[in-house]
Amino acid sequence: DGGITQSPKYLFRKEGQNVTLSCEQNLNHDAMYWYRQDPGQGLRLIYYSQIVNDFQKGDIAEGYSVSREKKESFPLTVTSAQKNPTAFYLCASSSGLAGEAWEETQYFGPGTRLLVL
Amino acid sequence: LAKTTQPISMDSYEGQEVNITCSHNNIATNDYITWYQQFPSQGPRFIIQGYKTKVTNEVASLFIPADRKSSTLSLPRVSLSDTAVYYCLVGARLNDYKLSFGAGTTVTVRA
Repeated sequence: DGGITQSPKYLFRKEGQNVTLSCEQNLNHDAMYWYRQDPGQGLRLIYYSQIVNDFQKGDIAEGYSVSREKKESFPLTVTSAQKNPTAFYLCASSSGLAGEAWEETQYFGPGTRLLVL
Repeated sequence: LAKTTQPISMDSYEGQEVNITCSHNNIATNDYITWYQQFPSQGPRFIIQGYKTKVTNEVASLFIPADRKSSTLSLPRVSLSDTAVYYCLVGARLNDYKLSFGAGTTVTVRA
């Protein structure tokens, strides 16, 4: 059964603590993404990776870090520098280049809700 | 990135057709138009994608006029389970590509 999995579903962070959110995909997709969603808001891009061992900052990368050591995995670390981490975090993936014009379809995981204690 | 504008909310009743129009005046030649659906506390789900004219699948239809400066998502005969937020996105994968999700349109279907 192909798809994207995120864990945990809920995560609690204490002050000054780093926490890591897991994202795994078995769709053989090259590109992976992390988004943050606040209540009543759209999604904002944190980081994205188009290929293994490479990643780019999105619009709100401060206080977050990522790695892409394997094609199927793209973990997100919320560091203590992120002062307002409470949000719903979504991971997504997309396939790859098809000619010059790209049909970008992203497939999303179920999300992780991060709460601060 | 092409900016999109869509209504904040729409109300409908079961069995009616819902049409959500998205404006994207600065759409580029290589851009595709994609719509996603999101239920509370879930990740967005791909609904439909198109480049021009009309696209139809088992869930929805997408109408794109010749100038491509807008698009309309049509949901036929909605049910209560279609209550969700719908996002219109415009973009294409070039060298440095990022999707931009706005606030979306909250569609509420009533009995």
